[in-house]
Amino acid sequence: GESVGLHLPTLSVQEGDNSIINCAYSNSASDYFIWYKQESGKGPQFIIDIRSNMDKRQGQRVTVLLNKTVKHLSLQIAATQPGDSAVYFCASPGDSNTGKLIFGQGTTLQVKP
Amino acid sequence: DAGVTQSPTHLIKTRGQHVTLRCSPISGHKSVSWYQQVLGQGPQFIFQYYEKEERGRGNFPDRFSARQFPNYSSELNVNALLLGDSALYLCASSFRVWEQYFGPGTRLTVT
Repeated sequence: GESVGLHLPTLSVQEGDNSIINCAYSNSASDYFIWYKQESGKGPQFIIDIRSNMDKRQGQRVTVLLNKTVKHLSLQIAATQPGDSAVYFCASPGDSNTGKLIFGQGTTLQVKP
Repeated sequence: DAGVTQSPTHLIKTRGQHVTLRCSPISGHKSVSWYQQVLGQGPQFIFQYYEKEERGRGNFPDRFSARQFPNYSSELNVNALLLGDSALYLCASSFRVWEQYFGPGTRLTVT
């Protein structure tokens, strides 16, 4: 079946460094991907999305890269701050037109001061 | 602008009871989705409703049901609660199918 998975359960970075969170997917027909940030006790927060007709998309301090050849995407956070500490999920649509998003297990980003 | 709101924030129920969770979407959004998130895992899709009709259903038993009202708010009902139903229940609203914005969730504990 379809799956979306993250490579590392935990990532620890120094404040000010750049962070890279990776995600792999299995369905080559997937054409839309979303990154969410979930802080403790809160719901997932939409960060950035990318469609399969793009290789790269940039937001404020975040960049998502999509490599369709190897079915891999990454979220890059520039100049990581303590407020970036959270669990990050990649998600992709499951069955078409059902509204189902398939989420990975999540990567916990820890920012060291 | 107000985001997605959910009530209650926390809930404790006993096995066998039923529960109703409520969600109000972002103004202008006509679609509401429900997800279950067990500790340490990503959210799992339960339902999506659009214009009061069920658009999709995840792999959950018939004990789970939902509905959407004319004002686009939604309720999730779970009957005959099991210990394994303990989780964070998330509601997401969307204008387009996939760009889903989540509420803070309802933490359900079944004892």
